[in-house]
Amino acid sequence: EVQLKESGPGLVQPSQTLSLTCTVSGFSLTDYSVHWVRQPPGKGLEWMGVMWSGGSTAYNSALKSRLSISRDTSKSQVFLKMNSLQTEDTAIYYCTRSDYWGQGVMVTVSS
Amino acid sequence: EIVLTQSPTTMAASPGEKVTITCRASSSVSYMHWFQQKSGTSPKPWIYDTSKLASGVPDRFSGSGSGTSYSLTISSMEAEDAATYYCLQRSSYPFTFGSGTKLEIK
Repeated sequence: EVQLKESGPGLVQPSQTLSLTCTVSGFSLTDYSVHWVRQPPGKGLEWMGVMWSGGSTAYNSALKSRLSISRDTSKSQVFLKMNSLQTEDTAIYYCTRSDYWGQGVMVTVSS
Repeated sequence: EIVLTQSPTTMAASPGEKVTITCRASSSVSYMHWFQQKSGTSPKPWIYDTSKLASGVPDRFSGSGSGTSYSLTISSMEAEDAATYYCLQRSSYPFTFGSGTKLEIK
């Protein structure tokens, strides 16, 4: 069964760095890409970036200077790191294979 | 960046009514993908590659379009179709979503 699960801190202080992990099962990261998508409360979806199956990455240019996506294929994990967080980064963060989505993790940026 | 403009933003339809949601792209895209999201849940893939229904999607749904104009159609609205629908383009970076169409049942 294909599953993706996000994990990470629910609360991050302004200007700090967000670190999230997406742990996948039921498929190999070398066969499928994994995207990160976020959704501020009550708002729409924003594509953040992707870890392609071959190991390359692509980022939303609006976030590129702050965002990094990496992976550990042996642990079936994809990582998101984003620095200089502000209150507008408060959102539900999803990892997705496109056809399967995680449940999302709510991240609140507040002091 | 390709901007996707969805219309309408919100709408209400009666059971049995035909519903059409449009997504217009600021530049031509090869395909359009659609997601359904209900309150408090993750988005679900709904239509991919413009017109292919994702697994489990009722055949009253259909997708069509090309170039800069795409649409999602429900042939006969049912209560369970009430949700927010988003279009997504993956033709060029950054991938972008439409702002969503909230569909309610009358």
